[in-house]
Amino acid sequence: GENVEQHPSTLSVQEGDSAVIKCTYSDSASNYFPWYKQELGKGPQLIIDIRSNVGEKKDQRIAVTLNKTAKHFSLHITETQPEDSAVYFCAASTDSWGKLQFGAGTQVVVTP
Amino acid sequence: GAVVSQHPSRVICKSGTSVKIECRSLDFQATTMFWYRQFPKQSLMLMATSNEGSKATYEQGVEKDKFLINHASLTLSTLTVTSAHPEDSSFYICSAPGGGGASDTQYFGPGTRLTVL
Repeated sequence: GENVEQHPSTLSVQEGDSAVIKCTYSDSASNYFPWYKQELGKGPQLIIDIRSNVGEKKDQRIAVTLNKTAKHFSLHITETQPEDSAVYFCAASTDSWGKLQFGAGTQVVVTP
Repeated sequence: GAVVSQHPSRVICKSGTSVKIECRSLDFQATTMFWYRQFPKQSLMLMATSNEGSKATYEQGVEKDKFLINHASLTLSTLTVTSAHPEDSSFYICSAPGGGGASDTQYFGPGTRLTVL
């Protein structure tokens, strides 16, 4: 089955700096890669996703890149703000309607 | 975007009792829903796939007789934790795929915090 690895497990950044989280996956059949933000005590919220027919996608301060050959994808957050502090999860699936395999999560702390 | 709700948001029960958690898709229909469990400071682990009108599919290691799933309608799936024990205390989260076309994605509920005393 699919195995998703996520690094780093914790990430501290100064407000205004960029944050990068990286994930690798094992199943070459995976073609849907969402990123979720989870605040304490709440369910995950989708922040951006990418499909395998696209190499990069951007939404304001958030961007995701995908390298299918190397089987890795990354989340980039620019101009970080304190409200970006949360746990971020990457996931992979063979389609957007199927089972998601989650990475272990990254605790991001943005200090003012 | 599509909304998924869960009820209750928090439940405390005594060991040996059963607890039912509801997952609803509020503005779309979901023939499939997923149930996840999340222990503190850990990732989401898929427990089972709930299928409307048919039996749920359980992940390896998940006891189907302990975690009963019923998907009786296109907008409601329920998870019943039977004979709950303290080790079942966890954060239970459901998700449902929806959106349509290029916006297909999975929408997660707010989660249910179960504490078994």
